[in-house]
Amino acid sequence: EVQLVQSGAEVKKPGESLKISCKGSGYSFTSYWIGWVRQMPGKGLEWMGIIYPGDSDTRYSPSFQGQVTISADKSISTAYLQWSSLKASDTAMYYCARPRSGYDSPLDYWGQGTLVTVSS
Amino acid sequence: DIQMTQSPSSVSASVGDRVTITCRASQGISSWLAWYQQKPGKAPKLLIYAASSLQSGVPSRFSGSGSGTDFTLTISSLQPEDFATYYCQQANSFPPTFGPGTKVDIK
Repeated sequence: EVQLVQSGAEVKKPGESLKISCKGSGYSFTSYWIGWVRQMPGKGLEWMGIIYPGDSDTRYSPSFQGQVTISADKSISTAYLQWSSLKASDTAMYYCARPRSGYDSPLDYWGQGTLVTVSS
Repeated sequence: DIQMTQSPSSVSASVGDRVTITCRASQGISSWLAWYQQKPGKAPKLLIYAASSLQSGVPSRFSGSGSGTDFTLTISSLQPEDFATYYCQQANSFPPTFGPGTKVDIK
């Protein structure tokens, strides 16, 4: 069974750094892209970026390029989303998800979400 | 980026009703469209891909149609577990973009 399990909720202050994780199991982690989707409170879904753990090829939506860093450690089947300096506007639920095939294809497996709260 | 719009933004319906949601792309996307269902506090769930292909395990009361710029999601007979928010997403050009969502609630 394919599973994506995300790290727990985080409460941070503006300016702090953060790295959240998404561990894949039940499939060949290096053979599928894995992406991140943001959902701000009460709002819709935003596609942030995606990584291919097999070779670390990474694509970012222009809206998120330079704002976050996506990485992966294939030795432990885990993808990461990180910020170097959080802002209050980064407060959101973040989902990792695996596309059906190519990097821009529909997302058929999702993690449970990680709630990030940034507040002074 | 390709902009996606959905109508209506919300719809109130009763169990057993037929519900249709429309999604429009700002430019042609062939059949590269997916539909998701999201319930409160839960991750989205893929329902339809390639405009009309039903994802494995999704009930047959859900169907999708359309191509080019105009698409529809139809729920043929609304069930209690279908009250949720529905999003379309284009997968034709980078970056993939989502519609703003349509909330289906109980009349």
